[in-house]
Amino acid sequence: EVQLVESGGGLVQPGGSLRLSCAASGFTFSSNWMSWVRQAPGKGLEWVANIKQDGSEKYYVDSVKGRFTISRDNAKNSLYLQMNSLRAEDTAVYYCARDRPMIMFGGGMDVWGQGTTVTVSS
Amino acid sequence: DIQMTQSPSTLSASVGDRVTITCRASQSISSWLAWYQQKPGKAPKVLIYKASSLESGVPSRFSGSGSGTEFTLTISSLQPDDFATYYCQQYNSYPRTFGQGTKVEIK
Repeated sequence: EVQLVESGGGLVQPGGSLRLSCAASGFTFSSNWMSWVRQAPGKGLEWVANIKQDGSEKYYVDSVKGRFTISRDNAKNSLYLQMNSLRAEDTAVYYCARDRPMIMFGGGMDVWGQGTTVTVSS
Repeated sequence: DIQMTQSPSTLSASVGDRVTITCRASQSISSWLAWYQQKPGKAPKVLIYKASSLESGVPSRFSGSGSGTEFTLTISSLQPDDFATYYCQQYNSYPRTFGQGTKVEIK
């Protein structure tokens, strides 16, 4: 079964750090771009970052640039999001998702985890 | 950044109704658009990709159309399981951006 399972969420004080993990199974993790998407309470979806198969390219939404770092370990079939200098507005459910190849398969995020909740509050 | 604008924000409809949701991009995104369905407390699920391609396993009552800057998601005959929030998303350029969502409610 194709599956993504996030972990690492929790309560953190403003200015603090947190590292999210996403464990992939059931597919060839090293063959896919991977993304993080978040959803603040009662709000819509916001794409946060993605990373190329070999980690050589990374893209971020402006609001997290310089604070968040996306990374991956293909040997462990794992995706990560290191979040530093956290703010109240980073409070959200964070989802990892698989990016389907655009040219060969049409793109879109076709596999999603269940999400992990990050709360930034004093 | 490309802005994605959905309309309406909320839609009240009955079982069996034909429903159309519109998504407009602030600049051309070719056909690089996906539609997602999300139910409360659940992860989003892709319905349509590349503007009009139906995801495997998604009922054929869902369809997508459009290219450039104007896109639509149509549900031909609304079913009880379809009451949810729908999002469009462009993946033509970075940062990827979502529409604000359309909540489909029971009339």
